[in-house]
Amino acid sequence: DMQMTQSPSSLSASIGDRVTITCRASQPISTYLNWYQQKPGKAPKLLIYAASTLQSGVPSRFSGSGSGTDFTLTISSLQPEDFATYYCQQSYSIPQITFGQGTRLDIK
Amino acid sequence: EVQLLESGGGLVQPGGSLRLSCAASGFTFGSYAMSWVRQTPGKGLEWVSAVSGSGGSAYYAVAVKGRFTISKDKSGSTLYLQMTSLTVEDTALYYCAKDSQRTVTANFDFWGQGTLVTVSP
Repeated sequence: DMQMTQSPSSLSASIGDRVTITCRASQPISTYLNWYQQKPGKAPKLLIYAASTLQSGVPSRFSGSGSGTDFTLTISSLQPEDFATYYCQQSYSIPQITFGQGTRLDIK
Repeated sequence: EVQLLESGGGLVQPGGSLRLSCAASGFTFGSYAMSWVRQTPGKGLEWVSAVSGSGGSAYYAVAVKGRFTISKDKSGSTLYLQMTSLTVEDTALYYCAKDSQRTVTANFDFWGQGTLVTVSP
C-alpha cells in the first residue's frame, strides 16, 4: 500500500510567519499529489493539485512543490484564517487513494 | 454554485446495512466522477469508493470491497453508497466529494458537509 507521511504532525506559528509542511510518499508518485485544508467542523478544501497547481480561488500565499517522493506545502505569510489542519493525498495509485495523517497548524 | 448534501447516516448495529445519499447540484452530474471519503479521529481521512462520471466504472478500497456498492442516479443527480455487513470499524463521518474530471483523478474539488455513521451494538 502507498503510505503518505506528513511532518510535522503539529506546529505552532505566528501571524506573518512562513510555514512549510512536508509530505513523503512510500513510493515515487511523480506529481500526483494534492493538498487540502480542513477547519474544525468543516469539510476539506482543495488547495493545490498536481503538486504545484493552485486551485481556483486559493490565495497565492499558498504554494506547493516536489515530485517523486518528497513534497512541500508552503504558506508564505500566515494569516489568521490559515490556522487549520492540512492533509496531503496521493492520486497516483488510483483507485487506492491515500491521505497523509494531517498536520495541525496552531497559533503560537 | 456547486452543492453536495449527504444524508442517510445514523446508528446501526454490527452486521446491519445503511444507504447513504448525496444530492448534487450546480454542475452537470454525469460529467464528473464522484467519491465517498470517510473520516475518523483515529484514522484520519480514508478514501472509500469512487465512480466514473458515466457510472460505468466503480472502485473500492480494500476495506469495503464486497460490502459497499457505489452508484449514481444521473436523472436525479444523486450519488449513493449502499453499505452492508457493517462493523464498528466503519464508524465515521462520510463525505461525498466531486472529482475534477469525468474519469477518477482523485482531485476532489468540492465536498459535502458529511453524514455520520455509527456502528454500535
